[in-house]
Amino acid sequence: AQSVTQPDIHITVSEGASLELRCNYSYGATPYLFWYVQSPGQGLQLLLKYFSGDTLVQGIKGFEAEFKRSQSSFNLRKPSVHWSDAAEYFCAVGRHNAGNMLTFGGGTRLMVKP
Amino acid sequence: NAGVTQTPKFRILKIGQSMTLQCTQDMNHNYMYWYRQDPGMGLKLIYYSVGAGITDKGEVPNGYNVSRSTTEDFPLRLELAAPSQTSVYFCASSYSGRNTGELFFGEGSRLTVL
Repeated sequence: AQSVTQPDIHITVSEGASLELRCNYSYGATPYLFWYVQSPGQGLQLLLKYFSGDTLVQGIKGFEAEFKRSQSSFNLRKPSVHWSDAAEYFCAVGRHNAGNMLTFGGGTRLMVKP
Repeated sequence: NAGVTQTPKFRILKIGQSMTLQCTQDMNHNYMYWYRQDPGMGLKLIYYSVGAGITDKGEVPNGYNVSRSTTEDFPLRLELAAPSQTSVYFCASSYSGRNTGELFFGEGSRLTVL
């Protein structure tokens, strides 16, 4: 069965600092990988996704993520964090032709210090 | 274009009561899902549907039922509410084409069972 681990439950960074959120997955084949963001009281919004090809993917709001097959990782990065990036971030893994059902990690809550 | 709409946003139930969480989408998506979100646990799939008249269990279906009589609507029914069903519930929908995988989420329904 597929699974996703986000090792960091909470992360605090200063505004303007760089950010990396970790995600490790377990899956028997090449997975579809996603990062979603959830602002307080809101639903989840897709930041970026990886299906195949270039292992460095760009998303919205200046985020990027890198798929590393050898490490079973799909870490999310941003070079300079803004206060509006404070939210909860979820990594997810999906299977092709499986009804687009996703398995989510436990989430990482990001706090941004002024 | 409203996207995915969930009602109610908040509800308090007594143990043993029943209720239905409503979900409707106006994007003509074939796939629809119900997830529950508990702190630190990410999102767990309750039920999903790949089209009108077709539903199937997800990871945590016990205590819930669904129906899908139209493409637009996917209500979630709790028959005998239990404290363990206190959670935030998210409905989502997805286009069924290849290499998509993006789920569109509603804003959530916070349910408390006392």
